[in-house]
Amino acid sequence: AQSVTQLDSHVSVSEGTPVLLRCNYSSSYSPSLFWYVQHPNKGLQLLLKYTSAATLVKGINGFEAEFKKSETSFHLTKPSAHMSDAAEYFCVVSLLPGGATNKLIFGTGTLLAVQP
Amino acid sequence: EAGVTQFPSHSVIEKGQTVTLRCDPISGHDNLYWYRRVMGKEIKFLLHFVKESKQDESGMPNNRFLAERTGGTYSTLKVQPAELEDSGVYFCASSPTRTPNTGELFFGEGSRLTVL
Repeated sequence: AQSVTQLDSHVSVSEGTPVLLRCNYSSSYSPSLFWYVQHPNKGLQLLLKYTSAATLVKGINGFEAEFKKSETSFHLTKPSAHMSDAAEYFCVVSLLPGGATNKLIFGTGTLLAVQP
Repeated sequence: EAGVTQFPSHSVIEKGQTVTLRCDPISGHDNLYWYRRVMGKEIKFLLHFVKESKQDESGMPNNRFLAERTGGTYSTLKVQPAELEDSGVYFCASSPTRTPNTGELFFGEGSRLTVL
């Protein structure tokens, strides 16, 4: 069965410092993985996705994630946090191979706070 | 292009009452999904429409929930009678049918339901 585990429910960083949001996945086949972000009073927005092409995936707003099969991880990083990055981030796996269905399995979310 | 819109943004009702949530997907998107986030838990899949047909309703919690998508445009999700455990945020998402499937869903801002 497919699942994702977000290791931190809350992360706090200072503006200008790196961001690391951790995600581990479990999948019986090569997964399709996503990071979604939800800013306050906004809908969920796709940050980036991995679908078995390059293992280092670049997304919007300077975020990127690296798919590491040996570690079953898909951590989200950004070199320098901005105040506008404060939001809740969700690691997501698609239920079927190749992302053929949009029945998504969400992690519990990581709330990112950015301190001035 | 208008995004996915949901109404109401927040609804407060008494246990036993009925509530109807509405979702207008992005124009031209055949796929429409309902997801739900109960307080403190992960976002979970409820059901998937392709046009007006229910493709997958395996996530619907019980028969108090009824989803419709007459004419394949907007969708409604009715909860009747509402129970305390139905409180949460109900997200609607849509996606086009295209090849290859990018796996991206376009989410609305959610409808927050509070059952007292």
